[in-house]
Amino acid sequence: EPEVTQTPSHQVTQMGQEVILRCVPISNHLYFYWYRQILGQKVEFLVSFYNNEISEKSEIFDDQFSVERPDGSNFTLKIRSTKLEDSAMYFCASRLTENTEAFFGQGTRLTVV
Amino acid sequence: SQQGEEDPQALSIQEGENATMNCSYKTSINNLQWYRQNSGRGLVHLILIRSNEREKHSGRLRVTLDTSKKSSSLLITASRAADTASYFCATDRSYNTDKLIFGTGTRLQVFP
Repeated sequence: EPEVTQTPSHQVTQMGQEVILRCVPISNHLYFYWYRQILGQKVEFLVSFYNNEISEKSEIFDDQFSVERPDGSNFTLKIRSTKLEDSAMYFCASRLTENTEAFFGQGTRLTVV
Repeated sequence: SQQGEEDPQALSIQEGENATMNCSYKTSINNLQWYRQNSGRGLVHLILIRSNEREKHSGRLRVTLDTSKKSSSLLITASRAADTASYFCATDRSYNTDKLIFGTGTRLQVFP
């Protein structure tokens, strides 16, 4: 069964460093998303991406964040200069259309020290 | 305002019992999805119910949707210890956006 895959599963980085979180969405899906979940809290929307551009972003998604779909399969989230409060589980999701099931990856646990 | 609040926040039951979790939301929606999350793991899609549907089944799962009350329920019948997880509802609003808004989740503990 097709699935969304994310790498790495866990990343530890020093404050101020850049990190890139990678995702391979389901192959025929057209809508892509990043969400995050701070430990013990709810899942928060970061950004949606369709037709090679950002369609919506939240207040969390400030200038330190960027997304890219560098080729036909990968979808990346970059945090330019990490802060302690960026520590969270980051989830990638994809869906075929805007009204179909959204499938999530297993997440990348980012720890900023 | 918060879109998506589940209750109860936590639920403990014995194996074999049924578990019911509720989700309320505030705005009009296109559909509502339920997800399961095992501790520290990914979000597993369970079921999607559209705004024009009232009930949907998948195995031991039964989801209802009442758009007049802006609420949904997830029923797990004959629960198993393996059902222990957090359960979240997520709504697709009906205008201007395709993002999912997640609820606060219900932590379900099923004791063997």
